[in-house]
Amino acid sequence: QVQVVQSGSEVGKPGASVALSCKTSGYTFTDYYIHWVRQAPGQGLEWMGLINPGDGASTNSRKFQGRVTMTRDTSTRTVYLELSDLRSDDTATYYCARDARGITSNWFDPWGQGTLVTVSS
Amino acid sequence: DIQMTQSPSTLSASVGDSVTITCRASHSIIRWLAWYQHKPGKAPKLLISDASNLESGVPSRFSGSGSGTEFTLTISSLQPDDFATYFCQQYTSYTFTFGQGTKLELK
Repeated sequence: QVQVVQSGSEVGKPGASVALSCKTSGYTFTDYYIHWVRQAPGQGLEWMGLINPGDGASTNSRKFQGRVTMTRDTSTRTVYLELSDLRSDDTATYYCARDARGITSNWFDPWGQGTLVTVSS
Repeated sequence: DIQMTQSPSTLSASVGDSVTITCRASHSIIRWLAWYQHKPGKAPKLLISDASNLESGVPSRFSGSGSGTEFTLTISSLQPDDFATYFCQQYTSYTFTFGQGTKLELK
């Protein structure tokens, strides 16, 4: 079955970078967008951006431009999110999720289990 | 950006009750709306897409309706497993925004 499995919790210092991974299985990796979404404590979900695993092209929310880099490794079917210049308000659970239909603007399914990132000195 | 306003933020109910959660969009999103169930430490689970299409395997006590700017998720005859957080998502033209979530609690 289709699965997306995320890497474990991370702790990062203010100003540093953190890299998260999202490993997929059960479908043609290059045929579906992968999205990144985060949820800070007590807050709603916030879309960060997407990557086309087929060609590696990505689109980020304006809020994160300049701090977010999305990449993929087709040999391991894994997508990566790097968030730089960490701030305390980046403390959140980060989710990856697959577009349900493909290279389209649609709902997300499935989602990963989430990766907790804590920014602390 | 399209803003999604979800209400209520918390809902207390008993097993067997019927409940309704509402999402309002700041602009028309036609029917490009999904509903998810989210439990702590788990991946969000898709319930409904395109406002009213029930995902395969989701119990029929879940239903969605609406179009344009107002949408509802109704859960009839609540079961113990239904107590969770629910959120909506709009997916219009490569913009993706979410409601703030509704925590459904056992009364």
